Amino acid sequence: GESVGLHLPTLSVQEGDNSIINCAYSNSASDYFIWYKQESGKGPQFIIDIRSNMDKRQGQRVTVLLNKTVKHLSLQIAATQPGDSAVYFCAETVQGGSEKLVFGKGTKLTVNP
Amino acid sequence: NAGVTQTPKFRILKIGQSMTLQCTQDMNHNYMYWYRQDPGMGLKLIYYSVGAGITDKGEVPNGYNVSRSTTEDFPLRLELAAPSQTSVYFCASSYPLKTSGGHNEQFFGPGTRLTVL
Repeated sequence: GESVGLHLPTLSVQEGDNSIINCAYSNSASDYFIWYKQESGKGPQFIIDIRSNMDKRQGQRVTVLLNKTVKHLSLQIAATQPGDSAVYFCAETVQGGSEKLVFGKGTKLTVNP
Repeated sequence: NAGVTQTPKFRILKIGQSMTLQCTQDMNHNYMYWYRQDPGMGLKLIYYSVGAGITDKGEVPNGYNVSRSTTEDFPLRLELAAPSQTSVYFCASSYPLKTSGGHNEQFFGPGTRLTVL
């Protein structure tokens, strides 16, 4: 089975609200995590990443939190905009070697105006 | 830079036909990957390559073959198309984390939508 999964398959928010998308992983050896955004009909786009030696990383309007104790990852999007509507995937890997990514199923975020 | 380009964008095959999905990147990336994405699902790794002349199987390699004769190109071959291979195929490339300054930002192509009837 997949080692990365998501708690909620869909999330609907109002424009301007904050969004939180969750992800669970099971491979305790994973030490690098990435969030991707995939808009309809397009390939995934990198949003933000985090290494296992960090608990939190911030980007522009996005924050990723990592809780290694419970193997949980979350993506927070501040002031969600209609352009944020997409499917969001978390992915995990082990640094070194092939650095293959294991993707979760994804959460579909819908932003209502 | 064009990034990662894939051809064709769409294709319909009959059962038993063969085809090659093309992937080219102009970023001089060492690593290249092929994924398939079924409707409503995440991406599953088919094959990957860490450099020219080196390829290896991913999670779902059966029914596919790859080659990596150059850094730029990583074609995916379907020999005997089956309905189970109906999917969207994405090619991606990246630098190794060590040389990229710590980011395994896999750059994805636009995808090839394949239907096998």
